Amino acid sequence: GQQLNQSPQSMFIQEGEDVSMNCTSSSIFNTWLWYKQDPGEGPVLLIALYKAGELTSNGRLTAQFGITRKDSFLNISASIPSDVGIYFCAGQLDNSGGGADGLTFGKGTHLIIQP
Amino acid sequence: KAGVTQTPRYLIKTRGQQVTLSCSPISGHRSVSWYQQTPGQGLQFLFEYFSETQRNKGNFPGRFSGRQFSNSRSEMNVSTLELGDSALYLCASSGSGNWFTQYFGPGTRLLVL
Repeated sequence: GQQLNQSPQSMFIQEGEDVSMNCTSSSIFNTWLWYKQDPGEGPVLLIALYKAGELTSNGRLTAQFGITRKDSFLNISASIPSDVGIYFCAGQLDNSGGGADGLTFGKGTHLIIQP
Repeated sequence: KAGVTQTPRYLIKTRGQQVTLSCSPISGHRSVSWYQQTPGQGLQFLFEYFSETQRNKGNFPGRFSGRQFSNSRSEMNVSTLELGDSALYLCASSGSGNWFTQYFGPGTRLLVL
């Protein structure tokens, strides 16, 4: 199947620092989604991006849909302890198929915040 | 508006048994997708149902099947369970605003012994 390369795999940061993670692919995507998953829970949608170049914010989170449609990044500003978790990017491939066609997920970025 | 709900939350089965998982989508959402999440493989798409019909299918064996009812609730069935089927099974629903923007339930943790 299609691959989404998400990096970094894990991040150890200090509280208050800014965080940046990204996803890249050799394929073109129509939609980029960013999710956060806490242990034992399902992923929670943070930001959805639908157009190349789109820049969207949700509180301290900002995400962008890359111009080439092959990448996306997520930034978190001034991290706080509750930001700990696993962040996933997900993309909808440009295959003109109807319906969900299944999202393609990155492997996740584990965010760990040191006090 | 209530979120996606899944039952049961936890399940323990033995090899060879079968299991049925249930998902209730967000009210008004007609598309329900199922995913398997494991530490090794990550999140993988199983199938999607829309209006009681399977619309898309991932690359899983025929032991994995599903169905959707007229109220959009969905069930997923796994027959002849194998140890490797131990995973978190996630259901996601989406509405007509954008089929690709999926909202996930809390998942069902399945352990096969």
